[in-house]
Amino acid sequence: EADIYQTPRYLVIGTGKKITLECSQTMGHDKMYWYQQDPGMELHLIHYSYGVNSTEKGDLSSESTVSRIRTEHFPLTLESARPSHTSQYLCASSDGGSVGQETQYFGPGTRLLVL
Amino acid sequence: AQSVTQPDIHITVSEGASLELRCNYSYGATPYLFWYVQSPGQGLQLLLKYFSGDTLVQGIKGFEAEFKRSQSSFNLRKPSVHWSDAAEYFCAVGPPSKAAGNKLTFGGGTRVLVKP
Repeated sequence: EADIYQTPRYLVIGTGKKITLECSQTMGHDKMYWYQQDPGMELHLIHYSYGVNSTEKGDLSSESTVSRIRTEHFPLTLESARPSHTSQYLCASSDGGSVGQETQYFGPGTRLLVL
Repeated sequence: AQSVTQPDIHITVSEGASLELRCNYSYGATPYLFWYVQSPGQGLQLLLKYFSGDTLVQGIKGFEAEFKRSQSSFNLRKPSVHWSDAAEYFCAVGPPSKAAGNKLTFGGGTRVLVKP
């Protein structure tokens, strides 16, 4: 099972602040993902990466940005947080495999509250 | 585009009773299928997955799921639930072809409450 870490676990911040949500994995997975999940709702993919220097936007439009400078690290940044960004953000990495057969492993999530 | 439907938003079950969670998918071909569980305040944990072969798949924590191609379903079952099974359960599908991309599509989730 993959070890994947997210920090902080909880964040309360004021409008207009810049924030970075950290995600790291120790399994050497090339593929990493960011999902946004509102309470009681389904997950929506907002960013993904298939390797270093590779980033793509997901299905749900997001004002956040991501970077992938190292394999193990996939941070998500909001330049100017707004209340509409309040949500839970889940990071995942996958073990490759054939297309569709990869298994995604999830971090514990970051719950963000923007006041 | 593929879609995943979990018809039951909430299910309440007594401890020791059996549990079945429904999942239906819409896709042009047989996708790869996953069930994840999310405990309160936690990330998602993989329960089981189906790629091919035997249509009855065994997972962790005593869960199993059965793939039925004719019904486009992948229902999750547990014969006897424990209070610790109270959580939200997500069904997900992955596309079987590279042209469709590599991304998972999740259902809306089913929240399971366990009565003592």
